[in-house]
Amino acid sequence: GAGVSQSPSNKVTEKGKDVELRCDPISGHTALYWYRQSLGQGLEFLIYFQGNSAPDKSGLPSDRFSAERTGGSVSTLTIQRTQQEDSAVYLCASSPPGGGNTEAFFGQGTRLTVV
Amino acid sequence: GENVEQHPSTLSVQEGDSAVIKCTYSDSASNYFPWYKQELGKGPQLIIDIRSNVGEKKDQRIAVTLNKTAKHFSLHITETQPEDSAVYFCAATDTGRRALTFGSGTRLQVQP
Repeated sequence: GAGVSQSPSNKVTEKGKDVELRCDPISGHTALYWYRQSLGQGLEFLIYFQGNSAPDKSGLPSDRFSAERTGGSVSTLTIQRTQQEDSAVYLCASSPPGGGNTEAFFGQGTRLTVV
Repeated sequence: GENVEQHPSTLSVQEGDSAVIKCTYSDSASNYFPWYKQELGKGPQLIIDIRSNVGEKKDQRIAVTLNKTAKHFSLHITETQPEDSAVYFCAATDTGRRALTFGSGTRLQVQP
């Protein structure tokens, strides 16, 4: 595809259920990021994958959150035992390889609502 | 870790006026400073970026300035148009070892 693709675009789940959010990065991009954006707020860093390096998980808010990236491409963010405070837009971004800093391309996000 | 502060949180200007958004960062190792525009219901989109070896960069009506000594950088939009209305985020990072750290955003409204 032409850009970062996230699915589903919207997800409503009951409190206590597990959810999986998917991100398909731009082909060839080695870096992948997950951010969380609460209503009207900024972007909160969750996790960062860079090539084959160990991911930076320092932004994950609790052990209910986990993410993996299979084969250096698709990533899945899993939230276990969802809580109402998990309601937010979850944004994924990817960046091409490069020696320095390069543009992060964002997907349109998954809007998660926990009821 | 890096901490980025952004001001103002909201900004309203008349069409044709200029708009300025300011950010400060804490980590002197940061050397890449992008600005993103987010329209309603969409993901953020890069509009301009600057690296630490440059003090100013322009792209048509948009310019960014960087003061490394003071650790602050600013976005300048001239001749604003209604379609510039959006939320703008600044961000900072170092040589790609870390993810971008974002400011809290500025909601810009351009009044026709």
